[in-house]
Amino acid sequence: SAVISQKPSRDICQRGTSLTIQCQVDSQVTMMFWYRQQPGQSLTLIATANQGSEATYESGFVIDKFPISRPNLTFSTLTVSNMSPEDSSIYLCSVGGTLFYEQYFGPGTRLTVT
Amino acid sequence: QKEVEQNSGPLSVPEGAIASLNCTYSDRGSQSFFWYRQYSGKSPELIMSIYSNGDKEDGRFTAQLNKASQYVSLLIRDSQPSDSATYLCAVRKAGTASKLTFGTGTRLQVTL
Repeated sequence: SAVISQKPSRDICQRGTSLTIQCQVDSQVTMMFWYRQQPGQSLTLIATANQGSEATYESGFVIDKFPISRPNLTFSTLTVSNMSPEDSSIYLCSVGGTLFYEQYFGPGTRLTVT
Repeated sequence: QKEVEQNSGPLSVPEGAIASLNCTYSDRGSQSFFWYRQYSGKSPELIMSIYSNGDKEDGRFTAQLNKASQYVSLLIRDSQPSDSATYLCAVRKAGTASKLTFGTGTRLQVTL
């Protein structure tokens, strides 16, 4: 499976600010996804990052709050904008596998908003 | 009804025993099923995938799928303390391309 890295691994941010999270893959992948995992909760899909087109957002998530870029087949960014303490969470990127729709996750970014 | 349901646990099993983790899903058209293991503070790791009815074995892990009952399970044989983690069930629904829906996970504790 692909090697996935995320930056930063963790950050503490003040409310009202924005943070951009980077996801880098060591091989070209078609599908990239961004998830949120709030404390003690399961994974919730934020959006699918599409190369060369706008991201596809899930219900409850909007582009103004979570803008996503996908400039090529190995890289994507997620920005968490105008943060509030409710945005404190782990943000994970994942990539689609080559076989049967499996996904592989990056190490995650632990965000704390104060 | 949740789309993917799991008992949150904790499920406690003694070392060497078989751990049985269960998952039910609501969309009868679901086509792909996955089990992820997540250690505390770490990201999910794919351990098993299954697509057709029956059993699929990989080492100490066996995934079982029953589409008629909308039920998928994971058996861990000879459980080890290192198996203590949260196990997430994920389902790909029909017509959703590569989107996965995750259950809330079952926490497994393997005791000495």
